[in-house]
Amino acid sequence: GAGVSQSPRYKVAKRGQDVALRCDPISGHVSLFWYQQALGQGPEFLTYFQNEAQLDKSGLPSDRFFAERPEGSVSTLKIQRTQQEDSAVYLCASSWGALNSGANVLTFGAGSRLTVL
Amino acid sequence: QQQVKQSPQSLIVQKGGISIINCAYENTAFDYFPWYQQFPGKGPALLIAIRPDVSEKKEGRFTISFNKSAKQFSLHIMDSQPGDSATYFCAASINAGNMLTFGGGTRLMVKP
Repeated sequence: GAGVSQSPRYKVAKRGQDVALRCDPISGHVSLFWYQQALGQGPEFLTYFQNEAQLDKSGLPSDRFFAERPEGSVSTLKIQRTQQEDSAVYLCASSWGALNSGANVLTFGAGSRLTVL
Repeated sequence: QQQVKQSPQSLIVQKGGISIINCAYENTAFDYFPWYQQFPGKGPALLIAIRPDVSEKKEGRFTISFNKSAKQFSLHIMDSQPGDSATYFCAASINAGNMLTFGGGTRLMVKP
């Protein structure tokens, strides 16, 4: 596609529910990032994929967060047993090259806004 | 640990005025400094970027000024327009890579 597509755009979950957020990056983009953006804050890094390999997951806040990109294209961010502090916009971004390849422009999706009640 | 600090958090400018947003960083390994613009309900989009081998970069009404010794850089928006009203994020990365560390954002409002 022409851009990065994320779904759902809005998700309301009851505390304790599991949620799955999907990201369709630009076709052919090697790098894929997930960021968490709390209200009024800048994006905070969660995890990075190079093709299907998850090379960095240092930003995942707890073991309730899990991300995958099994075929090196679509990625899913899963949050288990959601808590109120998980409420945020989850942004996906992709880039044509690998980390440190000089491909330093990130194209972001519009995000998935998660509200945990 | 906030590696990139951004100020102010919010800014109101009259149409035609100059908007100035400042960022400071701590990690001297950072060597790529982009600015991203985010409209409500949209993801951030790259606006302009600079490498530390130059002190200034201009693209249209947007200019980045970079001070390596002070570890600071700023975004200047000349002749600010209501359509510039958005949230602006500075960011930084190492090896000019795509692993970006973002500042906290500045919400700009340009009044007609």
